[in-house]
Amino acid sequence: AQTVTQSQPEMSVQEAETVTLSCTYDTSENNYYLFWYKQPPSRQMILVIRQEAYKQQNATENRFSVNFQKAAKSFSLKISDSQLGDTAMYFCASTRRSGNQFYFGTGTSLTVIP
Amino acid sequence: EAQVTQNPRYLITVTGKKLTVTCSQNMNHEYMSWYRQDPGLGLRQIYYSMNVEVTDKGDVPEGYKVSRKEKRNFPLILESPSPNQTSLYFCASSSIGRSLTDTQYFGPGTRLTVL
Repeated sequence: AQTVTQSQPEMSVQEAETVTLSCTYDTSENNYYLFWYKQPPSRQMILVIRQEAYKQQNATENRFSVNFQKAAKSFSLKISDSQLGDTAMYFCASTRRSGNQFYFGTGTSLTVIP
Repeated sequence: EAQVTQNPRYLITVTGKKLTVTCSQNMNHEYMSWYRQDPGLGLRQIYYSMNVEVTDKGDVPEGYKVSRKEKRNFPLILESPSPNQTSLYFCASSSIGRSLTDTQYFGPGTRLTVL
């Protein structure tokens, strides 16, 4: 099984500033995928960004980017120019490339302060 | 509109009274899955299905059953609910393609309370 750890239960950031959410994982696989999901107060789960482990280039999606450190098994999410709508719970998740199960972290609650 | 629907959205029941939470997707996805979300524990996978008539246990399958008789539907069955099954439940689906890498589409969630 894989494990995903998010060590920051809560974080806050000023509007327009940059914030980084941490995630570490443990796997014995070589091929796997990593994801960040956002869960706003509406409780919907929204995919923010995903990274393929065999790709060295860090994934980016507009204001969201990741810092993927494969050797360190670290997968942090950077949110630039934070907006009020970024206030949400953020979950890090992983799955094996050949597997069928998803593993989620415990989440980081992010509050963007006006 | 591509979507995953769950019913009911909210349910309060009593211990031992069998219940079913329905999940349906309109995207012709092969893969469907159930999760429960509890404070401090994140999302944990209950069961998943790779295709019709193919289901497998996730990390926390005890006390739950599922079936996949049709591609679009993946109901979650609690034969004898207990208070420790009070939780927020999510259904999700995705296509498989060459690997399980495509986006998972999540339903809106079902808030279950077992008294």
